[in-house]
Amino acid sequence: GENVEQHPSTLSVQEGDSAVIKCTYSDSASNYFPWYKQELGKRPQLIIDIRSNVGEKKDQRIAVTLNKTAKHFSLHITETQPEDSAVYFCAAPFNRDDKIIFGKGTRLHILP
Amino acid sequence: DAGVTQSPTHLIKTRGQQVTLRCSPKSGHDTVSWYQQALGQGPQFIFQYYEEEERQRGNFPDRFSGHQFPNYSSELNVNALLLGDSALYLCASRRRGGGQETQYFGPGTRLLVL
Repeated sequence: GENVEQHPSTLSVQEGDSAVIKCTYSDSASNYFPWYKQELGKRPQLIIDIRSNVGEKKDQRIAVTLNKTAKHFSLHITETQPEDSAVYFCAAPFNRDDKIIFGKGTRLHILP
Repeated sequence: DAGVTQSPTHLIKTRGQQVTLRCSPKSGHDTVSWYQQALGQGPQFIFQYYEEEERQRGNFPDRFSGHQFPNYSSELNVNALLLGDSALYLCASRRRGGGQETQYFGPGTRLLVL
């Protein structure tokens, strides 16, 4: 079925430490994996994405890794800052990219 | 270059009523998807429009219908509103290309059904 599993649902890390959020997907044909950040009362904002022809992508403190064989991908945030506190969603396309399904989200708390 | 816009921003309706939400895609985008996001949940895919036709549909009843216009803008209609339809309704647009193109979200319409 069309499924994106995301873990953990809640994550608390000390400011300056790293945070890792993991997702698995069910459609082996999926080839594009975006991550969105949603702050309270705002729209989801794309923060990074990865396509299936690469295994890792970095953008400053944010990185995403992809393991197509295992059908999982992860978001890594290093040197976390208070403004990283938000809900993060992973997503994956199904049915030849026509339907993008989201995970249930991870609420990230950055502790002072 | 305008991003994805939605109207109205907020809406209050009563059970049994009908509602129409509107979305204008980002310039250059031709594909519009609608999502329902209940409080504390991830966005749930409702349906997608391309070339004025519904291309994909999620697990939503027929009370949810839509339309896409020649200028690529789109409407979401919900009939016979239920209390459980209260949610943030998000529109997302992208350009349909050879590969997966990035999808951008609008600010959403917050619907409250009383």
